[in-house]
Amino acid sequence: GENVEQHPSTLSVQEGDSAVIKCTYSDSASNYFPWYKQELGKGPQLIIDIRSNVGEKKDQRIAVTLNKTAKHFSLHITETQPEDSAVYFCAAGSDNYGQNFVFGPGTRLSVLP
Amino acid sequence: NAGVMQNPRHLVRRRGQEARLRCSPMKGHSHVYWYRQLPEEGLKFMVYLQKENIIDESGMPKERFSAEFPKEGPSILRIQQVVRGDSAAYFCASSPTQMNTEAFFGQGTRLTVV
Repeated sequence: GENVEQHPSTLSVQEGDSAVIKCTYSDSASNYFPWYKQELGKGPQLIIDIRSNVGEKKDQRIAVTLNKTAKHFSLHITETQPEDSAVYFCAAGSDNYGQNFVFGPGTRLSVLP
Repeated sequence: NAGVMQNPRHLVRRRGQEARLRCSPMKGHSHVYWYRQLPEEGLKFMVYLQKENIIDESGMPKERFSAEFPKEGPSILRIQQVVRGDSAAYFCASSPTQMNTEAFFGQGTRLTVV
């Protein structure tokens, strides 16, 4: 089955700097890679996703890159702000069958003012 | 349009009791997913349901756990004879269709078994 690893587990950056979170997956059949942001006491929220037919996707200050050959994908947040502080989860799975994704263990991002 | 509603937010049960967790999906959503999150870990998929049907229960423990999504009313995740290892946050998500659409999460139910 699929196995997703995520690094780093914690990340502290100064406000305005960039943050990068990296994930690797094991199942070459996975074709959908969502990223979630979870704030304290709340449920996860989808912030960006990428499918295997695309190498990069950007949405304002966040971007995701995918390397299918190496089986890794990364989340990039530029110009970080204090409200970006949260736990971020990557996930991998198939985009044509429900939401049965395998999640990474999470990265706790702290943006220091 | 209210979001996904889960209740209770917090639930304390003694070992051996039953826990019932409820999830009301967003209006117009007929697909519901349940996840478990242990402290400091990512979410683990448990079960995917449509109205009156279990579509994928590959993540459900074989014993003590069951889920339903009746024609009327909320989806229910039921844990019988709870043990300390069941203590976790349980999240429900819903989507309008199963494919290529975002699932919206509720705020979760934090179950503590004492």
